[in-house]
Amino acid sequence: QKEVEQDPGPLSVPEGAIVSLNCTYSNSAFQYFMWYRQYSRKGPELLMYTYSSGNKEDGRFTAQVDKSSKYISLFIRDSQPSDSATYLCAMSALVGAQKLVFGQGTRLTINP
Amino acid sequence: EAGVAQSPRYKIIEKRQSVAFWCNPISGHATLYWYQQILGQGPKLLIQFQNNGVVDDSQLPKDRFSAERLKGVDSTLKIQPAKLEDSAVYLCASSLVRGATEAFFGQGTRLTVV
Repeated sequence: QKEVEQDPGPLSVPEGAIVSLNCTYSNSAFQYFMWYRQYSRKGPELLMYTYSSGNKEDGRFTAQVDKSSKYISLFIRDSQPSDSATYLCAMSALVGAQKLVFGQGTRLTINP
Repeated sequence: EAGVAQSPRYKIIEKRQSVAFWCNPISGHATLYWYQQILGQGPKLLIQFQNNGVVDDSQLPKDRFSAERLKGVDSTLKIQPAKLEDSAVYLCASSLVRGATEAFFGQGTRLTVV
């Protein structure tokens, strides 16, 4: 079983739709939860991060963490064609190597 | 602020040949990571340095991969000999401290082994 599971998609939605992206994880030591966006032929860039459980909002993006269910989500409101990319969830623990563990990535296309 | 620099951007080699990748992290970043990203998959950590010491290399195929971080700054990742399954994008990232609340990635080196 992988430490972090993410539906690879692909996911295709019309412009303006609300997008929901999700990851599940198995390691209860994870405390930092991040979402990275990766455009084609580019390195990942950090979109949002959350510490422990709760919600965080940044413009059209909302990140949610439910540690009891080991489940995290990213919501994109009023989606734009420029949001078309691969979205990667990532997690790290506060102890040990504190390495960053990624999900498989979900490929998202927003159609004009 | 300059980002993470990697070179080369692309490399094509034959199997059993050797190859090396170079990374220059953001100035002052103590933690440096090398990830392997196979097409359609998420990045997989190969090795993590804290300054010039190795923190985690549990997923590094040590019979063919090696990495070093000179003086706690630049880093090189080497593959010798390369196999077809090593075809991937090799991403270098750095962060100010461990715990990686924000790791900054370079554009990667796309390796094709034929």
